[in-house]
Amino acid sequence: QVQLVQSGPAVERPWASIKISCTTSGYIFGNYMIHWVRQAPGQRPEWMGSIHTGNGATRYSQFFHDRTTFSRDKSANTAYMELSGLRSEDTATYYCARRYCDSTSCPLDYWGQGTRLTVSS
Amino acid sequence: SYELTQPPSMSVSPGQTANIPCSGEALPKQYAYWFQQKPGQAPLLVMSKDTERPSGIPERFSGSTSGTTVTLTITGVQAEDEADYYCQSADSSATHPVIFGGGTKLTVL
Repeated sequence: QVQLVQSGPAVERPWASIKISCTTSGYIFGNYMIHWVRQAPGQRPEWMGSIHTGNGATRYSQFFHDRTTFSRDKSANTAYMELSGLRSEDTATYYCARRYCDSTSCPLDYWGQGTRLTVSS
Repeated sequence: SYELTQPPSMSVSPGQTANIPCSGEALPKQYAYWFQQKPGQAPLLVMSKDTERPSGIPERFSGSTSGTTVTLTITGVQAEDEADYYCQSADSSATHPVIFGGGTKLTVL
């Protein structure tokens, strides 16, 4: 069965960086995009961007493009999201989700369990 | 910036029908998706491309669309349906390809 398993919770200091992993199984990794979505406590989900796991092409939300880097390791069926310059407002749960195509014709159909990040001094 | 608008909360008794609307100007041009989220869990896709129910989702969940509004309907609500529901779509040019509504907290009385 399809699974997306994310790295565990983290507590980071302001101005630090974090790299969250999303390890997939149960499908052909390179055939799907991985999207990253974050959700602050009590707030709606917020799209951060995506990576095409086949060719590595990335797309970033205008709100995160200067602090976010997406990457992938095809040999490990794993996608990564690195967020730098952390601040308290980045305290949230971060999700990866797969999508078959780069249009609204395809759903975010399977999600990781989420990685809770707390930014605190 | 483009927004999807949902009522923040809704209450229904078990066995009744819940109609959760989501409005947005680009909805006639872009598909909408619905996610159910329970506390401490990841979002779960419960409706795809406006009206398509994913495999494994109970038949009591259905979707409809009319103009700039899409609606998730839960017929015969059960206690386990208590959750936050988010609609998701994109703006008309897909400049912002993934946008979520503010969410509707469904309470089963």
